[in-house]
Amino acid sequence: QKEVEQDPGPLSVPEGAIVSLNCTYSNSAFQYFMWYRQYSRKGPELLMYTYSSGNKEDGRFTAQVDKSSKYISLFIRDSQPSDSATYLCAMGGNNRLAFGKGNQVVVIP
Amino acid sequence: GAVVSQHPSWVICKSGTSVKIECRSLDFQATTMFWYRQFPKQSLMLMATSNEGSKATYEQGVEKDKFLINHASLTLSTLTVTSAHPEDSSFYICSARVGFGVGLAVEAFFGQGTRLTVV
Repeated sequence: QKEVEQDPGPLSVPEGAIVSLNCTYSNSAFQYFMWYRQYSRKGPELLMYTYSSGNKEDGRFTAQVDKSSKYISLFIRDSQPSDSATYLCAMGGNNRLAFGKGNQVVVIP
Repeated sequence: GAVVSQHPSWVICKSGTSVKIECRSLDFQATTMFWYRQFPKQSLMLMATSNEGSKATYEQGVEKDKFLINHASLTLSTLTVTSAHPEDSSFYICSARVGFGVGLAVEAFFGQGTRLTVV
């Protein structure tokens, strides 16, 4: 089993829809959880990070962590064409950081 | 947030030549930087950890003689791909550690990436 599993997609949604992304992980040592957005041919940019189980909201973005199930999610409300990108989950702990493969999202106008 | 600048953003070189990629932290000092490689539709693969003033730590399977890393100052790390071959063509990304510990994101800021094409 890979340390971090993320379905690479791609995922196409109409503008205004809710985008739902998720990752699972196997390493219980992971303590903090992040979502990055990566546009084509660019470096990833940090979208959200959270340390504990539960929900964290930032504008149209909600990150959800369930440590008991080793499952994290990212929701994008009222999706816009500018949200079209690859979204990578990442998990850190014990001075390590592991990334998911990334999920390509396309928001269709 | 902190800014990490990577240069060049793309480079084409002939097989057998060497290419240097620079990673700079613009508004903070980075004692540790990380170099990643990313293939199309693949995850970021950590290549090495660059420590200011000391030797880099390479991940298993990464040739240290081929991918030379120098971290001579607190704001600059360089990756040199020596004797590049077409299979070295990839997207290389650096990142800098800006915080660590409980509640802080580690390696939160990335450079823009460098697309290397070896012909």
